Amino acid sequence: DGGITQSPKYLFRKEGQNVTLSCEQNLNHDAMYWYRQDPGQGLRLIYYSQIVNDFQKGDIAEGYSVSREKKESFPLTVTSAQKNPTAFYLCASSTGHGSGANVLTFGAGSRLTVL
Amino acid sequence: AQSVTQLDSQVPVFEEAPVELRCNYSSSVSVYLFWYVQYPNQGLQLLLKYLSGSTLVKGINGFEAEFNKSQTSFHLRKPSVHISDTAEYFCAVSRGNFNKFYFGSGTKLNVKP
Repeated sequence: DGGITQSPKYLFRKEGQNVTLSCEQNLNHDAMYWYRQDPGQGLRLIYYSQIVNDFQKGDIAEGYSVSREKKESFPLTVTSAQKNPTAFYLCASSTGHGSGANVLTFGAGSRLTVL
Repeated sequence: AQSVTQLDSQVPVFEEAPVELRCNYSSSVSVYLFWYVQYPNQGLQLLLKYLSGSTLVKGINGFEAEFNKSQTSFHLRKPSVHISDTAEYFCAVSRGNFNKFYFGSGTKLNVKP
């Protein structure tokens, strides 16, 4: 079955360390997204990519970095510059074509905790 | 920028009772509207979407929503809830040539026996 795989599901980080969250999709979707979820705040967009080798900052990109070297993969690095990284991170994808009517498909999420 | 307001952060309801989860959005242009559901420690799943046409949209698990352009609302309803409907529900809006989504803060539905 097609879908989005995020790993790891749980991750612990010491302050000052960079960590990378993996996101892989086999849906043949062009567009991929990273969202951060905090209790009571909904989902906030970190980065998105419409096509390979191209990506744009979302609303809360500071302290994060991404790459899009392959259509299937969109890893997110949480750097030491991110002051409050403890959160639930969700990767999503869509066909990205045409109108804004395309549906987002989500992965199961990665929970990052800073010790 | 878009904004999406979910007026209730938590909604407690007894099993088999009806429920309405409210969603209002701000936009002066046409938008596409969505409701997603999230079970604990999982990703989001699409419940239903409004793109155009009939203002009453039916989704999975017996949920429906009504688009009201004059009130800029897209409230989610279910006539009789089950324990298994306990989850967090998110309203979302997108528009334009690329679907950059804007999400509400979520409503936790707690169905009690």
